[in-house]
Amino acid sequence: KQEVTQIPAALSVPEGENLVLNCSFTDSAIYNLQWFRQDPGKGLTSLLLIQSSQREQTSGRLNASLDKSSGRSTLYIAASQPGDSATYLCAVMFDKLVFGAGTILRVKS
Amino acid sequence: NAGVTQTPKFQVLKTGQSMTLQCAQDMNHNSMYWYRQDPGMGLRLIYYSASEGTTDKGEVPNGYNVSRLNKREFSLRLESAAPSQTSVYFCASSGSRPNEQFFGPGTRLTVL
Repeated sequence: KQEVTQIPAALSVPEGENLVLNCSFTDSAIYNLQWFRQDPGKGLTSLLLIQSSQREQTSGRLNASLDKSSGRSTLYIAASQPGDSATYLCAVMFDKLVFGAGTILRVKS
Repeated sequence: NAGVTQTPKFQVLKTGQSMTLQCAQDMNHNSMYWYRQDPGMGLRLIYYSASEGTTDKGEVPNGYNVSRLNKREFSLRLESAAPSQTSVYFCASSGSRPNEQFFGPGTRLTVL
């Protein structure tokens, strides 16, 4: 069964810390992997898309890596800010897009 | 560009009532999707449409029907709502599978 797991389920850090969110998946035959941000009561905002042939993608303070052989991706957030507080979702495109349950991030000022 | 829009934003139904959730995109995307999001279960695919005129079942299609009205619009219908269908429903679109998906703001549905 195609599954996506995100660890940790929740994370609380002080402002300014660098942090890593983890995503693992069960099948290495993927098309791409997408990281989303979801604010409470809102929709999903796409942060980064990594194609299966790529190793990483960067956007501002965000960097996402992909290791297909080990079935892992990480989202690195540099110099975290209170505005980064949200739920972060990892989604892997197998024959369909499969989502992890998310990591709830709280950045304290 | 409005991106992906959904109506209504909120809806309360009684068990057995029917309703249609509307979705439209203005990005000229070929593919469209309907997901539901439940606490602790992430998002799950209900139905998708790879192109105008085609629809396919996703992971949790029971109790739902869809219509790809044209390239812009993809609707989701609940024929006889049940409390188990209480959820947040998201519509998404992409240029073509398996490309990047863009999501609408969601419809929060409560079935009493």
